[in-house]
Amino acid sequence: DGGITQSPKYLFRKEGQNVTLSCEQNLNHDAMYWYRQDPGQGLRLIYYSQIVNDFQKGDIAEGYSVSREKKESFPLTVTSAQKNPTAFYLCASSRDQGSGANVLTFGAGSRLTVL
Amino acid sequence: GQNIDQPTEMTATEGAIVQINCTYQTSGFNGLFWYQQHAGEAPTFLSYNVLDGLEEKGRFSSFLSRSKGYSYLLLKELQMKDSASYLCAVMDSNYQLIWGAGTKLIIKP
Repeated sequence: DGGITQSPKYLFRKEGQNVTLSCEQNLNHDAMYWYRQDPGQGLRLIYYSQIVNDFQKGDIAEGYSVSREKKESFPLTVTSAQKNPTAFYLCASSRDQGSGANVLTFGAGSRLTVL
Repeated sequence: GQNIDQPTEMTATEGAIVQINCTYQTSGFNGLFWYQQHAGEAPTFLSYNVLDGLEEKGRFSSFLSRSKGYSYLLLKELQMKDSASYLCAVMDSNYQLIWGAGTKLIIKP
């Protein structure tokens, strides 16, 4: 079955450490996204990519970095510069980013806790 | 600024009907989405409205009024498995999704 796989599901990090969250999709989707979800808030876009080797900052990109070397993969690195990284991180993909009926398929999420 | 409003929490009884409202103020409009998210899981797509009116899909229906900046999700014949958060999202003129904070729906027997 096609879908999006995120790993790890749970991750604990000490302050000052960088961590990388994995996101792999086998849906042959061009666009991929990283969102952050905090209690009581809507999903906030961190980064998105419409094509291999290209990505754009979302609303809250500071303290995060991404790469898109392969169509299937869009890893997110949470750097030590991110002041409040404890959150639930969701990766998503879609056929393309620039159309109206752009339905997102989400991964199961990664919960990062900073100790 | 852009804003999506939906109630924080609602409670309903198994077998009943519930309506979850969503109002929005965005820069342009290219459609409104509803997603369902069970606790700790991935959101899953429920519906998409771009024209005014009601879209029915089984027990779930979604309504849109663009002139009022308003949508609702109607859930009929509620089941315990419908206990989840329901996320409203609007696609703006730049094809960026603006998300509401979600409505947590609690179903009681």
